[in-house]
Amino acid sequence: DAMVIQNPRYQVTQFGKPVTLSCSQTLNHNVMYWYQQKSSQAPKLLFHYYDKDFNNEADTPDNFQSRRPNTSFCFLDIRSPGLGDAAMYLCATRPRNQETQYFGPGTRLLVL
Amino acid sequence: AQKITQTQPGMFVQEKEAVTLDCTYDTSDQSYGLFWYKQPSSGEMIFLIYQGSYDEQNATEGRYSLNFQKARKSANLVISASQLGDSAMYFCAMREGPTNAGKSTFGDGTTLTVKP
Repeated sequence: DAMVIQNPRYQVTQFGKPVTLSCSQTLNHNVMYWYQQKSSQAPKLLFHYYDKDFNNEADTPDNFQSRRPNTSFCFLDIRSPGLGDAAMYLCATRPRNQETQYFGPGTRLLVL
Repeated sequence: AQKITQTQPGMFVQEKEAVTLDCTYDTSDQSYGLFWYKQPSSGEMIFLIYQGSYDEQNATEGRYSLNFQKARKSANLVISASQLGDSAMYFCAMREGPTNAGKSTFGDGTTLTVKP
């Protein structure tokens, strides 16, 4: 059974057209993360939620926003996607007092 | 300065042999955690093994073991008895600071190819 679910697996959007990626989890974990991973590169943390507390990385562009309406769901909004935003976006979760992050399968975003 | 360094962009190993993937890290924190993840071509990141900075024993999980040398700041992954399904990208990552902060920095990865 999938524990961290990302929809869709592949997303195509147009330059400048807002897009939302979604992540849901059945694990009831407190912490949720969004990473951006470009081809053959390391995942780069964009932001994370510790329960409802939002933590933005200093170098995350303002173009990227996130929402976490409840424990199970977390969304990544890209307000005006550019060609450089084409990447794999990974969602991960973990329980409060454990180290291991559980990753979803990722959403591959293509910007035309 | 890079916090996690993986010096081997690509590695080859013969099936059933052991292989070591290198990872060195840089931190001034006393409390930190080190992880290895496997990422197959499908894209999903799979947790393999974890080593805490205060753990005195090297971590082991099945065919995976972590060779932790604290003074040298290295955390190499050893895969014993390689299988064709081990072919993937492998990432070393580090969590600095308190556990509940939980932010990890990833290395650039090593692509492992297992040859039959």
